[in-house]
Amino acid sequence: QVQLVESGGGVVQPGRSLRLSCAASGFAFSDYAVFWVRQAPGKGLEWLAFISYDGSNTFYADSVKGRFTISRDNSKNTLHLEMNSLRPEDTAVYFCAREATTVTTNFGMDVWGQGTTVTVSS
Amino acid sequence: DIQMTQSPSSVSASVGDRVTITCRASQDISEWLAWYQQRPGKAPKLLIYAASSLQSGVPPRFSGSKSGTDFTLTIDSLQPEDFATYYCQQANSFPLTFGPGTKLDIK
Repeated sequence: QVQLVESGGGVVQPGRSLRLSCAASGFAFSDYAVFWVRQAPGKGLEWLAFISYDGSNTFYADSVKGRFTISRDNSKNTLHLEMNSLRPEDTAVYFCAREATTVTTNFGMDVWGQGTTVTVSS
Repeated sequence: DIQMTQSPSSVSASVGDRVTITCRASQDISEWLAWYQQRPGKAPKLLIYAASSLQSGVPPRFSGSKSGTDFTLTIDSLQPEDFATYYCQQANSFPLTFGPGTKLDIK
């Protein structure tokens, strides 16, 4: 079935780095743009990053620009989020999500992973 | 950046009721608005895209509409599984932004 599975979360000290991964299966990963979205404890959803189907275009939220890097390996059906200079306010559940159509990014996100938890604390 | 607001922030209703949630964009986003449902401890689920198109597999009691920069999610005949938090998201331009959410709970 169509699935996204995140991994790589954990507890990390402020200022350190962490790399999240998202494994895709059940669909043609290389045809779809994908996103990272996070949710701090008890808070709403925050979009973080976008990468186009071929990796040629990326966009970031201001809150993570310059610290986080989104990338993908279409040969391995995998999405990554490299997170540097982590702060306590980066503590959240991190979701990867697929765009709802290969034609446009205007239709929202139709497939989501279960999320991986990142805790930034000394 | 486009700011999204939602009202109400929370609403209590009973099974069988009709509920309406409103989302407003700070500028024109055309029809590029999506609605999501999120149950506790779960990932969001896409309900509506392009303001009024029902995502495949979503029950027809969910509907969306647009009036100017105001968007509405309506749930007819609430079912027990509908009690959750609902988010709108503008998909018009980057940075993408979500509304703060509306929590729907049982009266």
